[in-house]
Order: sequence, then C-alpha cells, then structure tokens
Amino acid sequence: GAGVSQSPSNKVTEKGKDVELRCDPISGHTALYWYRQSLGQGLEFLIYFQGNSAPDKSGLPSDRFSAERTGGSVSTLTIQRTQQEDSAVYLCASSLGRQETQYFGPGTRLLVL
Amino acid sequence: GESVGLHLPTLSVQEGDNSIINCAYSNSASDYFIWYKQESGKGPQFIIDIRSNMDKRQGQRVTVLLNKTVKHLSLQIAATQPGDSAVYFCAERAGGADGLTFGKGTHLIIQP
Repeated sequence: GAGVSQSPSNKVTEKGKDVELRCDPISGHTALYWYRQSLGQGLEFLIYFQGNSAPDKSGLPSDRFSAERTGGSVSTLTIQRTQQEDSAVYLCASSLGRQETQYFGPGTRLLVL
Repeated sequence: GESVGLHLPTLSVQEGDNSIINCAYSNSASDYFIWYKQESGKGPQFIIDIRSNMDKRQGQRVTVLLNKTVKHLSLQIAATQPGDSAVYFCAERAGGADGLTFGKGTHLIIQP
C-alpha cells in the first residue's frame, strides 16, 4: 500500500518568510510524528499526534514552530519567520498506534537563504 | 543527558562479508530499540526492532542483539550486498515516551 507522503519535496525560502510542510500518513495510522534532520546529524523529534488528543509538543525548538493535524489524518508543520538555522530535512512518520513501529516519509528538504 | 550514540561513524566491508554496526545507549528507562537504514535523499527505512524483554531478534539477513547489562545494541547484516550501502541509525524510546531518540548514524560502505 501507499507509504507516508510529504510535500513539497524541496522548498527554498528567504529568511523571515513563513513555510508550510505537509504530511499524509499511511491510511489507518492514528499516530503521526514530525522530526528534523540537520546536515550530518541524526533525527530530532519535534511533535507527536495521537488521534484527536492534544499533541506532544515537547520537541519543538521554538514558538516559531507549530503543527496541526486535521481530521486525524493530514498534518501541516508551519515555521514562521524562518531563520537560516531552520534549514534541514523535515521528516514525517506514522504508526498504527501509540508506541508502534514508525514508518517515515521521504522528507521535505528546506533551505532558508 | 541521556543519549544514544554510535561507536563508528564509517564502516567499510567487502561485498559478501558480514557487517556489525554497534550502538550504545545510556537511558536505562529505554524499553524499545529500532534500526533504520537511510539512503541518500530518502527517508529512513525500517529494518528491525526489539523490545527490552528480548536479547535477540532475527529478520531476513539481519539480526539485532540487545545487551541491557552494558546498554549496547548491535545490528548484524549477513552477506552484505551493494544495496546495503547506506547510513544506519539506531534509535531508542524510553518507556512512556512518544518520540524516538536517534544516534548520529554509521555510514556503511560495501566494497566490491
């Protein structure tokens, strides 16, 4: 079946602009995660959604980052007033339920000039 | 703080040989461990996982070993193939946590 999909695959923006990144989880998966992968680094957990419950935002690096998940499916990660240090690959993962195996999408490569 | 790390940033093996990628973790509360493979320009691909009530788990050509006494995790790949070339990440999750904590990765290079 279809895996996790993300769009856009690449995004170039200017410092100070807002960006929105989209994630479509695997159908039927109730849990959705966002991670950030900076150049040469491992993955950093950002935020977790489980069904319609309040998200776990413990990994968000600043208040410029926010995410929402509409209808328990598609999620959007928004970065406001982007900075150069926000340049990274943003990865989305989903799992069948809480604490189940996480499957990743291809990521969105964000470059802030 | 608690962390997950890898001993070797780069591992080079001959095609057909077995490879072992090691990982150390420090969070004694971790009860779930997982290995991912990431090829250039792609997202991490699930390989195998193991829960803390086990010390070994086998998949197709891969085996994960967990030694809770010394907080060590390893991934063994049998008869490596060119397609195994990638960066391998170990990750752990503490009991009750939602997100995974990843190590920095090991780059596995398969030489012909």
